[in-house]
Amino acid sequence: TAGITQAPTSQILAAGRSMTLRCTQDMRHNAMYWYRQDLGLGLRLIHYSNTAGTTGKGEVPDGYSVSRANTDDFPLTLASAVPSQTSVYFCASSDTPDSRTQYFGPGTRLTVL
Amino acid sequence: GQNIDQPTEMTATEGAIVQINCTYQTSGFNGLFWYQQHAGEAPTFLSYNVLDGLEEKGRFSSFLSRSKGYSYLLLKELQMKDSASYLCAVSDSNYQLIWGAGTKLIIKP
Repeated sequence: TAGITQAPTSQILAAGRSMTLRCTQDMRHNAMYWYRQDLGLGLRLIHYSNTAGTTGKGEVPDGYSVSRANTDDFPLTLASAVPSQTSVYFCASSDTPDSRTQYFGPGTRLTVL
Repeated sequence: GQNIDQPTEMTATEGAIVQINCTYQTSGFNGLFWYQQHAGEAPTFLSYNVLDGLEEKGRFSSFLSRSKGYSYLLLKELQMKDSASYLCAVSDSNYQLIWGAGTKLIIKP
């Protein structure tokens, strides 16, 4: 079972360019999440989706957008990247929004120059 | 505001016991989680506490005191593979996880 996959594994992006980070899960989980992880800081929630067709803003949503057209996919788009968006991005999912466990993808390391 | 505090780094010896503390202040409480994260990898779930007391799972145990806003993760019979960061997270009133910055645990032979 693949669980959650993310693509790309890593990327170097010029400032001002747009990019979409992909996330796919095969567990039929209803809830999905995007986090960023920066050195010295905890994981911070960017956007979430409690079920297909709905999305919500997390703690740090500015500069990011998401969509949830179906259960499996939850792409994260940076419309115009800035250096402060350099981070490791993790996608996660859980069976329901109040589930006890979130399962994480392997992460995407993004560098914005 | 919401806050999760845990030590930045701890060092312990192989075969020993280590306790990693976590204190929290959040808007609402729907459980406390511990995750393990090896360098360059994704976090993986270790434990969940929603009631006061100790939850034991093999070499790992997690304790919660809701009145004190306090939890700890106890690791026994430490092995080199336990070298990792340990993340404390609290599920708030909206079931969103608030994360601590993590405790990097270094195991020495």
